[in-house]
Amino acid sequence: DTGVSQDPRHKITKRGQNVTFRCDPISEHNRLYWYRQTLGQGPEFLTYFQNEAQLEKSRLLSDRFSAERPKGSFSTLEIQRTEQGDSAMYLCASSLAGTDHSGNTIYFGEGSWLTVV
Amino acid sequence: AQSVSQHNHHVILSEAASLELGCNYSYGGTVNLFWYVQYPGQHLQLLLKYFSGDPLVKGIKGFEAEFIKSKFSFNLRKPSVQWSDTAEYFCAVRGGGFKTIFGAGTRLFVKA
Repeated sequence: DTGVSQDPRHKITKRGQNVTFRCDPISEHNRLYWYRQTLGQGPEFLTYFQNEAQLEKSRLLSDRFSAERPKGSFSTLEIQRTEQGDSAMYLCASSLAGTDHSGNTIYFGEGSWLTVV
Repeated sequence: AQSVSQHNHHVILSEAASLELGCNYSYGGTVNLFWYVQYPGQHLQLLLKYFSGDPLVKGIKGFEAEFIKSKFSFNLRKPSVQWSDTAEYFCAVRGGGFKTIFGAGTRLFVKA
């Protein structure tokens, strides 16, 4: 399977602990996105990378959240000092920038479920 | 700021009924429009997209959507639904910038 892969798929953590999620985008995709989805809502944009550069961050991304894409391939999303409100599905998506609009179509991974207890 | 509104949160239909899910967006410039589907236990998948040209776009599994610029709408349609269409459907818009903004979703349940 050469789709977007995310790890772990499920994470249960105690409040106050740090968690890290990893995303491997579709091979050769230079754009990578993180979204968050809670029950009954659509995906909410968190941040965007073009290659290794983080070009946009949502105001939803508090200081406790940090994302990296050090070599322009895989990405990590770390949440420090987790709170119960952080419980959600964290989705990674990728796309390939081109000369047309094709790079505007994003492809999602299966997501990482976070439960903070 | 961009936003997307999906009118129906839950829709229940019998098999063979026709489907129309409403989607309106807020953005004054050129947009790319999408419908994604999430089947139970699966990840979000692209159903169809509109970038330019013919405002009536066809996607997978017999779905189509019509872009009406004057109404800022991009409604999803299917003439005859099947039980396997039970899923959650998300409308999304990408205007200026890098973000694709999603609606809250519509849960469709098709009765066999």
